[in-house]
Amino acid sequence: RKEVEQDPGPFNVPEGATVAFNCTYSNSASQSFFWYRQDCRKEPKLLMSVYSSGNEDGRFTAQLNRASQYISLLIRDSKLSDSATYLCVVNTGNQFYFGTGTSLTVIP
Amino acid sequence: GAVVSQHPSWVICKSGTSVKIECRSLDFQATTMFWYRQFPKQSLMLMATSNEGSKATYEQGVEKDKFLINHASLTLSTLTVTSAHPEDSSFYICSAPTSGGTYEQYFGPGTRLTVT
Repeated sequence: RKEVEQDPGPFNVPEGATVAFNCTYSNSASQSFFWYRQDCRKEPKLLMSVYSSGNEDGRFTAQLNRASQYISLLIRDSKLSDSATYLCVVNTGNQFYFGTGTSLTVIP
Repeated sequence: GAVVSQHPSWVICKSGTSVKIECRSLDFQATTMFWYRQFPKQSLMLMATSNEGSKATYEQGVEKDKFLINHASLTLSTLTVTSAHPEDSSFYICSAPTSGGTYEQYFGPGTRLTVT
């Protein structure tokens, strides 16, 4: 079983839609969780850290469910500029595990 | 946030030559750095973990004699692609986690390697 599993998509949604991505992780001892955004031919950039209590940054909400071992990213009111690949990253000890990335295209 | 640089950003080389890529953490020290490869329209693939002062740890299927990693200081790791072939053409990215408990990864801007 992979350390981190992520639906690769692609997700094609209309502008203004709400879209959610999930990432499951296999190691219950995992400590830190992150969502990154990667634009085409660019490096990933940190979007949000994911805290146990859940956290929100504008239209983006990240949540952690330790019992079911998954993290989620919710994007509300999608914009064309949200089109990108979204990667989840899980830190376990001194190891980092990446999801395969979920491709999102927001359509006018 | 923290800054990681990579050099060169783009390199074209002939088949059979070796190419060195540098990854530097500019405003923090990194005892560990990670090297990835990404083919077009595919996800990041972790190649190896670079450890300052010790040998790198390679992922399964990655040839350590072909992809030489050196982490000589707390701010510099290098990846050398030896005897490059066209199939090595890819986007190579490094990253370094910050310390202090947050463990956020900061990525370099990537190096696009084309082997002709």
